[in-house]
Amino acid sequence: SYELTQPPSVSVSPGQTASITCSGDKLEDQYACWYQQKPGQSPVLVIYQDSKRPSGIPERFSGSNSGNTATLTISGTQAMDEADYYCQAWDSSSVVFGGGTKLTVL
Amino acid sequence: QVQLQQWGAGLLKPSETLSLTCAVYGGSFSDYYWSWIRQPPGKGLEWIGEINHTGGTNYNPSLKSRVIISLDTSKNQFSLKLSSVTAADTAVYYCARVEVVTAIDYWGQGTLVTVSS
Repeated sequence: SYELTQPPSVSVSPGQTASITCSGDKLEDQYACWYQQKPGQSPVLVIYQDSKRPSGIPERFSGSNSGNTATLTISGTQAMDEADYYCQAWDSSSVVFGGGTKLTVL
Repeated sequence: QVQLQQWGAGLLKPSETLSLTCAVYGGSFSDYYWSWIRQPPGKGLEWIGEINHTGGTNYNPSLKSRVIISLDTSKNQFSLKLSSVTAADTAVYYCARVEVVTAIDYWGQGTLVTVSS
């Protein structure tokens, strides 16, 4: 089965740039999405089709996908961005999630 | 504005069948897949399966033998049944809208289901 691998945790200082990676075999051959989840809340889509932002998502969120790695980048990270982030892709007809990355803003 | 509202029993005994329903308000019911996703306490997201408006389904191979997802198009609702539950099935269960090969763009509020004797 297809697997997506994320680092368990990433730390960033306020105002700096955070990068969260998601690795999978030939990931660039499919679209990657990213979800933000804060404690006690449902996930929220922040990036779809590798690099597109849904309406209402701040411009500081961006994405890319090349080779075996998709990357979520948060520029000018704010305290409110502290959350768990999950990447997601499709494997044939199945939805696959990465294990999640806890972003700490300190 | 699209909203997904879900409900179902929150406490089950081992071997019982989990049953949840999700109602979709707003948007088209026929242009998307409708999915169930779960999250064990303190852990990551796990896709359970999905259904489209014609009743076509896809299931996570690891759960396929115990899962049935069905829909009621007259009510814009879809449902999840997971049989023979164990403590390992304790999780928050989410219903969600899937735009295929694009994104999971709307999520329900989540339902905590606890399996305990």
